[in-house]
Amino acid sequence: AQSVAQPEDQVNVAEGNPLTVKCTYSVSGNPYLFWYVQYPNRGLQFLLKYITGDNLVKGSYGFEAEFNKSQTSFHLKKPSALVSDSALYFCAVRALGSGYSTLTFGKGTMLLVSP
Amino acid sequence: GAVVSQHPSWVICKSGTSVKIECRSLDFQATTMFWYRQFPKQSLMLMATSNEGSKATYEQGVEKDKFLINHASLTLSTLTVTSAHPEDSSFYICSARAPGTRTDEQFFGPGTRLTVL
Repeated sequence: AQSVAQPEDQVNVAEGNPLTVKCTYSVSGNPYLFWYVQYPNRGLQFLLKYITGDNLVKGSYGFEAEFNKSQTSFHLKKPSALVSDSALYFCAVRALGSGYSTLTFGKGTMLLVSP
Repeated sequence: GAVVSQHPSWVICKSGTSVKIECRSLDFQATTMFWYRQFPKQSLMLMATSNEGSKATYEQGVEKDKFLINHASLTLSTLTVTSAHPEDSSFYICSARAPGTRTDEQFFGPGTRLTVL
């Protein structure tokens, strides 16, 4: 079975400071990893994904994530946070291989950026 | 990019009535659609996987007779909550998968807020 852990319910950061939202995963085989953002009463918006290749993945709105196979982590980062980045962030994983396995989501981390 | 719509965006109904939620892929054909349920401040829980032209596959614990899923075409899947009760109140999100390579991904709809009185 595959699983995702987001250890922090909430992350608080001041505008202009760097931010990190943590994610670790467990999956059989190679992982296919995603970050999504959700604003209140809205669906999920895709931020970035990792399949293979460079461990540092760049995505939308200046976000990036670093894949670390040995630590089974895929932390989301941004060098300089904006107040508008305040939202709920989900990490998700599925196994990459033959066939199609469903996405498993973490419980989400609320990011609050203060002015 | 791929766009998925949901209708309605919100609905309020009386207990005991049935509610239908539509999920459409607007600019691509979706062989597979997924229905998720999200409780306040919680993660998305997969309810069922819907394949065009075949019966949906429900996750463990999801009542298939209560949550009827129909994927009648490559661009439309519907979720009908039958005999809705207040505990069915939730945010329902669909996603659609386009056929293609093994690296295909899901595109999410904006969600439907269901409130059962």
